[in-house]
Amino acid sequence: SQELEQSPQSLIVQEGKNLTINCTSSKTLYGLYWYKQKYGEGLIFLMMLQKGGEEKSHEKITAKLDEKKQQSSLHITASQPSHAGIYLCGADSAYSGAGSYQLTFGKGTKLSVIP
Amino acid sequence: EADIYQTPRYLVIGTGKKITLECSQTMGHDKMYWYQQDPGMELHLIHYSYGVNSTEKGDLSSESTVSRIRTEHFPLTLESARPSHTSQYLCASIDRGTGELFFGEGSRLTVL
Repeated sequence: SQELEQSPQSLIVQEGKNLTINCTSSKTLYGLYWYKQKYGEGLIFLMMLQKGGEEKSHEKITAKLDEKKQQSSLHITASQPSHAGIYLCGADSAYSGAGSYQLTFGKGTKLSVIP
Repeated sequence: EADIYQTPRYLVIGTGKKITLECSQTMGHDKMYWYQQDPGMELHLIHYSYGVNSTEKGDLSSESTVSRIRTEHFPLTLESARPSHTSQYLCASIDRGTGELFFGEGSRLTVL
């Protein structure tokens, strides 16, 4: 199965600062997902990346998938307290065209934003 | 807003009881998943399904079982609950067109 390493495990930043979270795999990533989870709540879909070199942005969050499709980064610009939560990357275990089969997740990065 | 529902949201039961966690989605998605998550911990895939009459075990060994008799319904059953089963269980389904994974709000199970 796919093993995804996320770094850092936790992060504390001052409001207004930029930050980056990484997700790395030893295998090619087919369908890389980023989710945000508030403690004790469900998961909020952020972005999905499929192609090598792909980059997507939503509001102040940008996610990239490298050309080799083994590493993805999530970048938050000018962080706000509302960005606090646990960020999870997930990926397919095998190529399956549209959609996924065995979708597994990294351990998550806990982000705290200090006002 | 995602149309995927889990019931019950919270359940407290005694050891040895049989329980079924329900998951339903009205989006016509073929692929569905069950994840287990302890507080503050990572998500573990315990079961998934490609479609009707298709189920597979995930990475995490689980004593639970699942069934997929209808596309919209993917229940998870524990025949004899134990305290070690105390956790949050999250159900999800995937939109084949966009690849977006939709999660239910979760079922928090406590076994005394």
